[in-house]
Amino acid sequence: SQKIEQNSEALNIQEGKTATLTCNYTNYSPAYLQWYRQDPGRGPVFLLLIRENEKEKRKERLKVTFDTTLKQSLFHITASQPADSATYLCALSSGGYQKVTFGTGTKLQVIP
Amino acid sequence: DAGITQSPRHKVTETGTPVTLRCHQTENHRYMYWYRQDPGHGLRLIHYSYGVKDTDKGEVSDGYSVSRSKTEDFLLTLESATSSQTSVYFCAISESKRGGFSSYNEQFFGPGTRLTVL
Repeated sequence: SQKIEQNSEALNIQEGKTATLTCNYTNYSPAYLQWYRQDPGRGPVFLLLIRENEKEKRKERLKVTFDTTLKQSLFHITASQPADSATYLCALSSGGYQKVTFGTGTKLQVIP
Repeated sequence: DAGITQSPRHKVTETGTPVTLRCHQTENHRYMYWYRQDPGHGLRLIHYSYGVKDTDKGEVSDGYSVSRSKTEDFLLTLESATSSQTSVYFCAISESKRGGFSSYNEQFFGPGTRLTVL
């Protein structure tokens, strides 16, 4: 069955450092991969999307890589700030009817 | 929250009672989804809709039904609520975009409904 794993449930990092979150998947051939941010008590918010034929995508301090050979995506937040503290969700889709499968998330805590 | 509202936001009910959750959008997006989110399981798709009166099952559809009679509204019904359906329920919407060889989308989520079944 399809499986998405995010490297850890929680990640603590010092302010100013680069946070790296990992998303691995098995039994899946996604057409694209997305990252979302979720704050406590709120719905997820879309951050970035990367397609299967793209290696890397950037948006301000965020960078996503997508390696379909390794079946892995890395999500980087550079110069991390306490305001970046949240749960980050990886999501994959193979396209049809826009169905998306989510990972369980990694809770990031940026320590001042 | 991208023009998505959910009602009610909180509900406490008893086992065996019917419950209907409503999702309303003002974005005129084609696709609508219902997810539940539980600790250790993440977001799991219950049902989704790809147009008015067009719906299909997701990963955890047992015990749930949906209806979409208008573009803007997507209803989730628990015919006879059970304690295992205690969860936070999120509605999401999306619209198809074309890119390369495949269509893709980002999903916009509502604020969620916290349902407790006693």
